[in-house]
Amino acid sequence: QVHLVQSGAEVKTPGASVKVSCKASGYNFPSYHLHWVRQAPGQGLEWMGLINPRGGSTSQAQMFQGRLTMTRDTTTNTFYMELSSLTAEDTAVYYCARVLGTPDAPPHYWGQGTRVTVSS
Amino acid sequence: HSALTQPPSASGSPGQSVTISCTGTSNDVGGYNYVSWYQQHPGKAPKLMIYEVTKRPSGVPDRFSGSKSGNTASLTVSGLQADDEAEYYCYSYAGSSSYNYVFGTGTTVTVL
Repeated sequence: QVHLVQSGAEVKTPGASVKVSCKASGYNFPSYHLHWVRQAPGQGLEWMGLINPRGGSTSQAQMFQGRLTMTRDTTTNTFYMELSSLTAEDTAVYYCARVLGTPDAPPHYWGQGTRVTVSS
Repeated sequence: HSALTQPPSASGSPGQSVTISCTGTSNDVGGYNYVSWYQQHPGKAPKLMIYEVTKRPSGVPDRFSGSKSGNTASLTVSGLQADDEAEYYCYSYAGSSSYNYVFGTGTTVTVL
């Protein structure tokens, strides 16, 4: 079955970068888009972006342009999300999520989430 | 892209129905049949309940149904059960030349 296992919690200082990993198993890695979604404490869900693992192309929400880098390693079936120039407003749980089926399908299989805390 | 608008809260007694709205624009909800709904219990990852406006993933009971009219999508939960008490988010494709998505503001459903 599909499993997405994310890296552990991180504490960062303002201005730093964070890199979260998401290791996929149980399916054909290149065949399904992978989304990143975050949720600030007590707040709603926020779509960040997605990556096509077949070629590595990405799309991201405009608000993250220039700060968000999504990559994948096809040798280890692992996705990475790196967010730079962190501020306190980036404190959130970050989720990776694989689509249900087709590229247009919504995220269906979710990682357990990675808590990122930005504090001085 | 602005978040889709949902009512902050909705409630119903066990066995009753509750309907949640999700209002966007012709650039997202109204422009595509790619509206989904997620259920999220506290401390848990979201769970997909509805996709492509009306479809249910395997394992989701038919008490959950979706619809859309113009720029507004709706989720109806019939036969409310205690476990339906959760936060619900709509989600829509919002891109034209590239993939772009947006979530709703979220609705807390309380089973009275």
